[in-house]
Amino acid sequence: QKEVEQNSGPLSVPEGAIASLNCTYSDRGSQSFFWYRQYSGKSPELIMSIYSNGDKEDGRFTAQLNKASQYVSLLIRDSQPSDSATYLCAVNKGGTSYGKLTFGQGTILTVHP
Amino acid sequence: KAGVTQTPRYLIKTRGQQVTLSCSPISGHRSVSWYQQTPGQGLQFLFEYFSETQRNKGNFPGRFSGRQFSNSRSEMNVSTLELGDSALYLCASSLEFGETQYFGPGTRLLVL
Repeated sequence: QKEVEQNSGPLSVPEGAIASLNCTYSDRGSQSFFWYRQYSGKSPELIMSIYSNGDKEDGRFTAQLNKASQYVSLLIRDSQPSDSATYLCAVNKGGTSYGKLTFGQGTILTVHP
Repeated sequence: KAGVTQTPRYLIKTRGQQVTLSCSPISGHRSVSWYQQTPGQGLQFLFEYFSETQRNKGNFPGRFSGRQFSNSRSEMNVSTLELGDSALYLCASSLEFGETQYFGPGTRLLVL
């Protein structure tokens, strides 16, 4: 089992729709969770961080964390073509791995007009 | 505030050579992490430095090394380059050890 797994893509949604990206992690003691966006040929850009159970909203983005289910998701409302990118879920496991981010393989999102 | 900067941005080397990559963190950030990104393996953690000390190391051979200076700038070195070392090398900085990491533009290394 991979330490961090993301829903297999690619994911294609029409403009204006909600895009749902999912991520599961294996270490129950993981402490902090991040979503990064990476455009082709560019470096990852932080979108959201979340540390406690529940929802966290920032503009069109909502991150959801459920530690009991070891699940974190990212919802993008009113998706725009400019949201087309690879979305990376990252987990800080804490403990002796504190400071190290473990990444999922990424989900490619395409928003078509 | 300026972001993370990395130099050089592109590099071509041949097998057996060594390479040094440089990273300047966001002003005030004291922790620097390094990652390797390849199409096959994705983003993998190399090491993290805080207060000039390596706090964490990933599963990479000893050919990969790094250091951090007193001004928080960091360098990583890869010796005896192999074809498989071709990758995007990313540096990320955070305010303190273990906090949110912000990535630089990366150095794209091609080993021929």
